[in-house]
Amino acid sequence: GNSVTQMEGPVTLSEEAFLTINCTYTATGYPSLFWYVQYPGEGLQLLLKATKADDKGSNKGFEATYRKETTSFHLEKGSVQVSDSAVYFCALSQDNQGGKLIFGQGTELSVKP
Amino acid sequence: DAGVIQSPRHEVTEMGQEVTLRCKPISGHNSLFWYRQTMMRGLELLIYFNNNVPIDDSGMPEDRFSAKMPNASFSTLKIQPSEPRDSAVYFCASSLGWGGRRDRGPGANVLTFGAGSRLTVL
Repeated sequence: GNSVTQMEGPVTLSEEAFLTINCTYTATGYPSLFWYVQYPGEGLQLLLKATKADDKGSNKGFEATYRKETTSFHLEKGSVQVSDSAVYFCALSQDNQGGKLIFGQGTELSVKP
Repeated sequence: DAGVIQSPRHEVTEMGQEVTLRCKPISGHNSLFWYRQTMMRGLELLIYFNNNVPIDDSGMPEDRFSAKMPNASFSTLKIQPSEPRDSAVYFCASSLGWGGRRDRGPGANVLTFGAGSRLTVL
């Protein structure tokens, strides 16, 4: 079946450090891939998405590239801020499954000043 | 648009009581999803609807859980009787949905989540 695996957290970084959160997936066909972010006490918000191989999603300085050959969608940011502290979820959806999202377990990021 | 609206935001109840969680999706969205979030199990899809019709309820834990969507602007998730292990944050999400065809438009498969309902069963 379809699944998503993320690197375990928590990840603690200093402000302006480089961020990578690894995400790999298992799926048949050509899923769409997503990163969602959850700030404390809030629901999930879409951060970025990619719908086909080699697409790069980007938003707010975050980027992720859909790599079909390695079944990966790693999240990166060149310089994190304290305000980026949150839980990040990688997810996939399949066209033939009604748009439902399958999530990874989430990675907590804490950025210190 | 006010986004996806969930109520109540917090609910504390005793074991055995009935719990009803409510969701108002974004106007014009035709797919609605109920997720449950716990520390142990992460985010689990419980059920989802397309055009008010339940499509997949395989994630509903057991018969104590039921969900309805009587119209395009309202859905409920009911737990009866509730148990301590049901304690979690329950999220509702909606999307422009799925027309049963490959849709790669900007809104395709993008879920908008509500703020969640935190349930504590004592």
